[in-house]
Amino acid sequence: EAQVTQNPRYLITVTGKKLTVTCSQNMNHEYMSWYRQDPGLGLRQIYYSMNVEVTDKGDVPEGYKVSRKEKRNFPLILESPSPNQTSLYFCASSPLEQTIGYTFGSGTRLTVV
Amino acid sequence: GDSVTQMEGPVTLSEEAFLTINCTYTATGYPSLFWYVQYPGEGLQLLLKATKADDKGSNKGFEATYRKETTSFHLEKGSVQVSDSAVYFCALRSPGNTPLVFGKGTRLSVIA
Repeated sequence: EAQVTQNPRYLITVTGKKLTVTCSQNMNHEYMSWYRQDPGLGLRQIYYSMNVEVTDKGDVPEGYKVSRKEKRNFPLILESPSPNQTSLYFCASSPLEQTIGYTFGSGTRLTVV
Repeated sequence: GDSVTQMEGPVTLSEEAFLTINCTYTATGYPSLFWYVQYPGEGLQLLLKATKADDKGSNKGFEATYRKETTSFHLEKGSVQVSDSAVYFCALRSPGNTPLVFGKGTRLSVIA
């Protein structure tokens, strides 16, 4: 089944403790992206990648890192999480073709205390 | 830059009512247009799309027509059900390896 898999689904952590949220897709998509979703603010893009070893900042990159060493994986790294990074996170992938939409993962609900 | 504006919610309707969620866009080229739906506790799913002017996308009783002259892509359904309660996002994607640009989403609640 074609899908984007995120892990974990839920995570509670403490301020300053490094964490990684994994994202993997099995559709050979070139494009991958991370979003956060907060009430009243909609979806905001954190980082995206057009292909292996190519990453770019989105609208809200501060406090996050990403890497794209393989085409299928696009982990989101929080080196020193803070409470304002408590949010619902989504990974998405797509071909580069303009007429194709994104396939989204199921989301990761992160709470930083 | 590209942008999408959706009507603010929440929208509350009775079962079998007619639904319209307005969406207008600003883009420099000829974008593809999308509607996504997010059911409670889930990720976003593609609901329908249209890739050129006057195209109509449809799925699950929902429809939207790409109107270039009014830069709009309004979502409609003739008779909503309780199971349609969700958040709906309008989005566009312009040519040239660009990301999807989303509207802020509209929450729909359908009551029996």
